[in-house]
Amino acid sequence: AQSVSQHNHHVILSEAASLELGCNYSYGGTVNLFWYVQYPGQHLQLLLKYFSGDPLVKGIKGFEAEFIKSKFSFNLRKPSVQWSDTAEYFCAVNPWGGADGLTFGKGTHLIIQP
Amino acid sequence: GAGVSQSPRYKVAKRGQDVALRCDPISGHVSLFWYQQALGQGPEFLTYFQNEAQLDKSGLPSDRFFAERPEGSVSTLKIQRTQQEDSAVYLCASSEPEAGQFFGPGTRLTVL
Repeated sequence: AQSVSQHNHHVILSEAASLELGCNYSYGGTVNLFWYVQYPGQHLQLLLKYFSGDPLVKGIKGFEAEFIKSKFSFNLRKPSVQWSDTAEYFCAVNPWGGADGLTFGKGTHLIIQP
Repeated sequence: GAGVSQSPRYKVAKRGQDVALRCDPISGHVSLFWYQQALGQGPEFLTYFQNEAQLDKSGLPSDRFFAERPEGSVSTLKIQRTQQEDSAVYLCASSEPEAGQFFGPGTRLTVL
């Protein structure tokens, strides 16, 4: 069975700061990787996904993530955050090639101070 | 509709009551998933359908939980004899191949 670890449960940044949220997974095979975001009062939205190919993935709203297979990591980055990025961020994984259920991390609560 | 919809959005049940939660997936999506999200936690997988076939129900926490998708579209998650530990947000998601899963707004269940 797979597992996902998100290192930071709470992150507070000022506007225009750079962001990196850590995500590590544990699984014996190839995986699909995802980042989801949940804005206050809204439902989970897909930020970006990795299935195969270029390990640097670009998503919506200026976010990107890099898959480093040797480190079992899929960290989320944004060069300059905005107040509107305040949200809960979840990393998730499922086995490659299947349409299996996702295994989520516990989430990182990001607060951007204006 | 444009996205996944769920009803009701909020449900309060007395301990021991049965509840039924509905999910309308994105039209044409073959795969449908149910998750349970406790406060302060990430969603946890409950069960998965491909069309009307329930291919994985390994995440259902007990035999009080039952899900169905009889015509391969709308799905219902039923919880019998609800307990306080069933209080959570129940999320539904649908997907098509290589597209990732799209989530509904969830049903917040409170068991008193």
